[in-house]
Amino acid sequence: AQKVTQAQTEISVVEKEDVTLDCVYETRDTTYYLFWYKQPPSGELVFLIRRNSFDEQNEISGRYSWNFQKSTSSFNFTITASQVVDSAVYFCALSDPNTGNQFYFGTGTSLTVIP
Amino acid sequence: NAGVTQTPKFQVLKTGQSMTLQCAQDMNHEYMSWYRQDPGMGLRLIHYSVGAGITDQGEVPNGYNVSRSTTEDFPLRLLSAAPSQTSVYFCASSYVPGDSYEQYFGPGTRLTVT
Repeated sequence: AQKVTQAQTEISVVEKEDVTLDCVYETRDTTYYLFWYKQPPSGELVFLIRRNSFDEQNEISGRYSWNFQKSTSSFNFTITASQVVDSAVYFCALSDPNTGNQFYFGTGTSLTVIP
Repeated sequence: NAGVTQTPKFQVLKTGQSMTLQCAQDMNHEYMSWYRQDPGMGLRLIHYSVGAGITDQGEVPNGYNVSRSTTEDFPLRLLSAAPSQTSVYFCASSYVPGDSYEQYFGPGTRLTVT
């Protein structure tokens, strides 16, 4: 069965520190997709990144970077030089085309960046 | 494009009442879904649809009905509201699966059942 685990419930960092949010997933399928979403205090869900199971290249977008490692079934998210605007709940999700594109979300990590 | 819209934004119901949460998208997405978000539990899939006339159950479908008569609309019906259905409800849409695309979420509906 598909499952996403975000073991870090809450994280607090001081502004300008780097922070890594962990995501571990479970699936028996060889084709799957991984996602990160951000939910700021205003409540909307904002898409950050999509990665398919055949692409293990790390990705960097500004201060954000993602480390996908199939060997450890992990898809970790790092924010460099954190800012107060990064304070949000971050969700990792897994999607499997073989199960009708159902998304399986982790329970989220609440990040607080202290000025 | 308005993207994914949801109405109402807030709703208070009494136990046993019924209501419909509205969801519409203007991106011509085939795939639409409903989630509920509860503290400490992330988002859980209630129902989803891969196209007009086709719906299926997700992880937590009990107490909810859906229909998909058009590509644009995907309403969620609460048949007889219970306090356990107090939650934030999100509607989402994406392109047809097969190559799993990101889902675009509506702003959410905060429902309280007393």
